Amino acid sequence: KQEVTQIPAALSVPEGENLVLNCSFTDSAIYNLQWFRQDPGKGLTSLLLIQSSQREQTSGRLNASLDKSSGRSTLYIAASQPGDSATYLCAVWGGGADGLTFGKGTHLIIQP
Amino acid sequence: ETGVTQTPRHLVMGMTNKKSLKCEQHLGHNAMYWYKQSAKKPLELMFVYSLEERVENNSVPSRFSPECPNSSHLFLHLHTLQPEDSALYLCASSQRSGSGEAFFGQGTRLTVV
Repeated sequence: KQEVTQIPAALSVPEGENLVLNCSFTDSAIYNLQWFRQDPGKGLTSLLLIQSSQREQTSGRLNASLDKSSGRSTLYIAASQPGDSATYLCAVWGGGADGLTFGKGTHLIIQP
Repeated sequence: ETGVTQTPRHLVMGMTNKKSLKCEQHLGHNAMYWYKQSAKKPLELMFVYSLEERVENNSVPSRFSPECPNSSHLFLHLHTLQPEDSALYLCASSQRSGSGEAFFGQGTRLTVV
């Protein structure tokens, strides 16, 4: 059974810092990995999708990497801003009839 | 309207009530999903529909009953729920071929009293 772990569970940093969120998964047989953002009481917004054959994806100040063989992904946020405050979720898809398997998320606070 | 839309956004129901949650996707996807998000727990997959056929239910209690009348609409029928069923219920859709990227609705916050 696939399990996804996110470290740290919570993170509070001053505005302007670069930061890294970590995600690990136990079964490397994945089709893709997605990073999502969730604001309190809201749905999930897709940030980045990495296919199993890819090593990284970039969108603006966000960069996600994938090391499928070691079961790890990182989300790098450059020059953090207070508007980046949210919970960040990592999820993997095994393909076929599976849904996504999620981690518990990293609750991020960027201090002005 | 684009993306995935869920209604209602908030719902309070008694344990003897019957209610339904609705999800509509405007992305042309061929798979739709229901997830449950409870406090301090990862999102849990409840149901998967692919090409309007249910492919997985993950041992969800029978008081939750899904319905997928066509590829754009998904319902979750609720009856005789328990207080521990209070949670955020999220609908998602994806295209099973290609990138497989999943898109989520804004969720329905359900409170069972």
